[in-house]
Amino acid sequence: GENVEQHPSTLSVQEGDSAVIKCTYSDSASNYFPWYKQELGKRPQLIIDIRSNVGEKKDQRIAVTLNKTAKHFSLHITETQPEDSAVYFCAASITYNTDKLIFGTGTRLQVFP
Amino acid sequence: GAVVSQHPSWVICKSGTSVKIECRSLDFQATTMFWYRQFPKQSLMLMATSNEGSKATYEQGVEKDKFLINHASLTLSTLTVTSAHPEDSSFYICSASGLAGAGYEQYFGPGTRLTVT
Repeated sequence: GENVEQHPSTLSVQEGDSAVIKCTYSDSASNYFPWYKQELGKRPQLIIDIRSNVGEKKDQRIAVTLNKTAKHFSLHITETQPEDSAVYFCAASITYNTDKLIFGTGTRLQVFP
Repeated sequence: GAVVSQHPSWVICKSGTSVKIECRSLDFQATTMFWYRQFPKQSLMLMATSNEGSKATYEQGVEKDKFLINHASLTLSTLTVTSAHPEDSSFYICSASGLAGAGYEQYFGPGTRLTVT
């Protein structure tokens, strides 16, 4: 089955700096890659997603890139703010099959003022 | 976006008792619902996929007789933790999507924190 690895597990940056989180997946059939932000004790919130027919997607300060050949995708946050501090999860899914999401292990991002 | 609710938001029960958690899609019909378990400082682990009107599909290592899932309507799925033990204490989160295989976004419930004493 699908396996998703995520790095780093923790990331500390200064406010205004950029943050990059990387994920790799194992199943070449996966075609949907969402990123979630989860604050303590709350539900995961979708912040951006990308499908396999696209190499890059951007939404204001957040961007995601996908390399299908290498089977990895990355989340880029620019101009980080303290409110970006949270745990971020990547996930992979095969949307024409079961749609089930396989999550990465998570990255705890801390943005220091 | 679509709204998914869970009830209760937290529950404390004694070891050996059963607990039922409800997951509802409030403004859309959820053909498929997913149940996840999340231990402190860990990732979401998929437990099972439930489709309305059919038996749930459990992930490897998840005991189907311990975690009973029912998806009797297009807006409600329930997870019953039977004979709960302290190691079942966790954060249980459901998600719902419109139609499996159609690439719809999953909408997550707020989660239920279960503590077994």
